[in-house]
Amino acid sequence: DAGVTQSPTHLIKTRGQQVTLRCSPKSGHDTVSWYQQALGQGPQFIFQYYEEEERQRGNFPDRFSGHQFPNYSSELNVNALLLGDSALYLCASSSAGHSYEQYFGPGTRLTVT
Amino acid sequence: GENVEQHPSTLSVQEGDSAVIKCTYSDSASNYFPWYKQELGKRPQLIIDIRSNVGEKKDQRIAVTLNKTAKHFSLHITETQPEDSAVYFCAASELGATNKLIFGTGTLLAVQP
Repeated sequence: DAGVTQSPTHLIKTRGQQVTLRCSPKSGHDTVSWYQQALGQGPQFIFQYYEEEERQRGNFPDRFSGHQFPNYSSELNVNALLLGDSALYLCASSSAGHSYEQYFGPGTRLTVT
Repeated sequence: GENVEQHPSTLSVQEGDSAVIKCTYSDSASNYFPWYKQELGKRPQLIIDIRSNVGEKKDQRIAVTLNKTAKHFSLHITETQPEDSAVYFCAASELGATNKLIFGTGTLLAVQP
């Protein structure tokens, strides 16, 4: 039973560029949440996807957007990258109908130069 | 707005001693309180959680207590071992909505052998 997977593992981008990060949820899960974890801080909620719709959004600008596919996998897109976007991006999956536990993927380390 | 405070930020104990980490939440609608352990460079892993209809929960050497009136919850680790060394995050969530997790700032626990 595969857990939550994310790709790529590491990414280096230049200011102003765009990036797409990918997440596959744990088998049986239908909900994907994205979090940003800056160095030395706790994860910050970006948004959550369920049934291919964004359910709720945290305090992030609309440069951050996402998508969920019919197979429940998800993408996080960030446009016009800033140096401050450098962080570990974590996705977490859960099951809307059965469990409230959220399981995290290994994350994508994004560095913006 | 929603906020979770966590103390202490660092904690050093001798192997075999107990460790206690405390959190306070602001949103009275919060009803689910998970604790995550994050080792260096790895994903946050759920170690224990508690719902607001329960005052205490134990799982072997770890326990969590909740005081809803004071909006406090705590993680207790007994008989600490070097492999308990990691960053621990508390979080709060309102189940039934989007279940987004609001994280504390983390506690770096060092268990000295």
